[in-house]
Amino acid sequence: DGGITQSPKYLFRKEGQNVTLSCEQNLNHDAMYWYRQDPGQGLRLIYYSQIVNDFQKGDIAEGYSVSREKKESFPLTVTSAQKNPTAFYLCASSIRSSGGPNTGELFFGEGSRLTVL
Amino acid sequence: DQQVKQNSPSLSVQEGRISILNCDYTNSMFDYFLWYKKYPAEGPTFLISISSIKDKNEDGRFTVFLNKSAKHLSLHIVPSQPGDSAVYFCAATGSGNTGKLIFGQGTTLQVKP
Repeated sequence: DGGITQSPKYLFRKEGQNVTLSCEQNLNHDAMYWYRQDPGQGLRLIYYSQIVNDFQKGDIAEGYSVSREKKESFPLTVTSAQKNPTAFYLCASSIRSSGGPNTGELFFGEGSRLTVL
Repeated sequence: DQQVKQNSPSLSVQEGRISILNCDYTNSMFDYFLWYKKYPAEGPTFLISISSIKDKNEDGRFTVFLNKSAKHLSLHIVPSQPGDSAVYFCAATGSGNTGKLIFGQGTTLQVKP
């Protein structure tokens, strides 16, 4: 079945360490996104990519990095510069990234919970 | 600057009654609105959407109403069922946003049997 796979589901990290969260999709979608969920703050956009080898910062990109070397993959690295990394991270994809109705529908993975010890 | 706001963090209704979840937005460039439903420790799933050229969209028990002049939309669930208990996120996008969604803070709905 088509979908978005995030791994790992749970991850623990010591302060000062970088960690990379994986996101793979087999939906043939052009656009991919990373969101962060914190209690009471909804979903906030970290980075997004509309096409391979291109990505843009979202609203809270500081302390994060991404790459988009393949259409199917959009890994997120949480660096040691991220001051408050403990959160629930959600990856999503959509068919197109701009223009017209139906482009706003995102398909989400099941999320990765990162805890900094 | 919260462009999409869900001012009610939680809502509790009795099974069989109507649930009304509200959402306000500030950006007049938004022209497409969506509702997502999220269970704990899972990703959100798309529920229903509405384009700014409409003021109502219905899908089974779920209806979304859009009031552009008030920059307000609402999700009605009739009748409410215990399985509807989840967090509901309102989201908006527009041609100027290159397709990225702006989410509200979410409203936790509890439907009591």
